[in-house]
Amino acid sequence: NAGVTQTPKFRVLKTGQSMTLLCAQDMNHEYMYWYRQDPGMGLRLIHYSVGEGTTAKGEVPDGYNVSRLKKQNFLLGLESAAPSQTSVYFCASSYSLEGSGWTGELFFGEGSRLTVL
Amino acid sequence: QKEVEQDPGPLSVPEGAIVSLNCTYSNSAFQYFMWYRQYSRKGPELLMYTYSSGNKEDGRFTAQVDKSSKYISLFIRDSQPSDSATYLCATPTNGNTGKLIFGQGTTLQVKP
Repeated sequence: NAGVTQTPKFRVLKTGQSMTLLCAQDMNHEYMYWYRQDPGMGLRLIHYSVGEGTTAKGEVPDGYNVSRLKKQNFLLGLESAAPSQTSVYFCASSYSLEGSGWTGELFFGEGSRLTVL
Repeated sequence: QKEVEQDPGPLSVPEGAIVSLNCTYSNSAFQYFMWYRQYSRKGPELLMYTYSSGNKEDGRFTAQVDKSSKYISLFIRDSQPSDSATYLCATPTNGNTGKLIFGQGTTLQVKP
């Protein structure tokens, strides 16, 4: 059981280049999230999805796009990378909140470290 | 002002010390709080959660919420070098989406 897997783990881009981060989860979770983590800023939500085919903006969505074509995958795209997007990106997933018993547990991947020069 | 504030530290203590980690929050509507632990170069993992006011204990860890002062605390007794990590407090935003607001995280080092 792999949990949440992110690829790639490391990437260096030049300003203006594009790339896609892939997140895959094997827990059949409905909800998926992309966060970025920067020193002194904590984790900030970029985009999220509450089900296959649905996406929504989080706190810091500018410069990013996402897609959730399959329930197990959540893709984060950077169309034209900027140095301000240098960060560690975390994907997370959670089971549906319908009903009771949600503990607030998000299951995180190990992160993707992106440097934009 | 961030909705959840946390002193980033770093905090360094000797092995065996009692550690107190704290967060403040601004929205009195927040009722559910979590502590996540993040080891270096790893993703965060849920450590504890607590609802509304009061204490919750799990082994060496105690989570405490004081709603009157909007203050969240995590106490670690008999701290161990393996407790060295970044600790993040979090709370759900409004709505049934599982979105969490995180504090900045406090980095803790427990020295042998």
